Amino acid sequence: GQNIDQPTEMTATEGAIVQINCTYQTSGFNGLFWYQQHAGEAPTFLSYNVLDGLEEKGRFSSFLSRSKGYSYLLLKELQMKDSASYLCAAKDSNYQLIWGAGTKLIIKP
Amino acid sequence: IAGITQAPTSQILAAGRRMTLRCTQDMRHNAMYWYRQDLGLGLRLIHYSNTAGTTGKGEVPDGYSVSRANTDDFPLTLASAVPSQTSVYFCASSERAGAYNEQFFGPGTRLTVL
Repeated sequence: GQNIDQPTEMTATEGAIVQINCTYQTSGFNGLFWYQQHAGEAPTFLSYNVLDGLEEKGRFSSFLSRSKGYSYLLLKELQMKDSASYLCAAKDSNYQLIWGAGTKLIIKP
Repeated sequence: IAGITQAPTSQILAAGRRMTLRCTQDMRHNAMYWYRQDLGLGLRLIHYSNTAGTTGKGEVPDGYSVSRANTDDFPLTLASAVPSQTSVYFCASSERAGAYNEQFFGPGTRLTVL
């Protein structure tokens, strides 16, 4: 079956760095997406990886290893506004997104 | 309108009633999607449409139907609502249905079926 695993909840300190891991198992693979979702709001796109390696975008970076079925989202210089859920999703052979349950990130001052 | 709109924002519905959730986008995107989001679960695809005039079933289609008469609108209908359909429903769209096409989400409809 198809499956996405990510931690349920993480806590970090303002100004620090946090890494959110995601492992995926899909029938076919057409890329890995990360979305941010603030409580009560819609998900918004953060990053896309289809090739192995690190993609950097400001304070956020995303890494992919296709051979390991593994990705992580790295958030640097954490700010209070980064408190949100982070959703990992892999696109399968039918170009449909398979979503993880999300990682709730709590930022403490 | 900018992006995707959904209506209503929230609704309380008696079991057995028929309900249509509306979704409209103004980005001329070809592909549209309906998801439900439940606590502790990832977003689950209900139905999708890769282009106007076509629709397909997602992971959890039972009890739901959709139509795509034009590019902009993608309504979701619950023919006879049941309490297990209590959820937050998100409509999304993407330029195309291919590999790299990020999905843009509407604000969601919070539905409670009693």
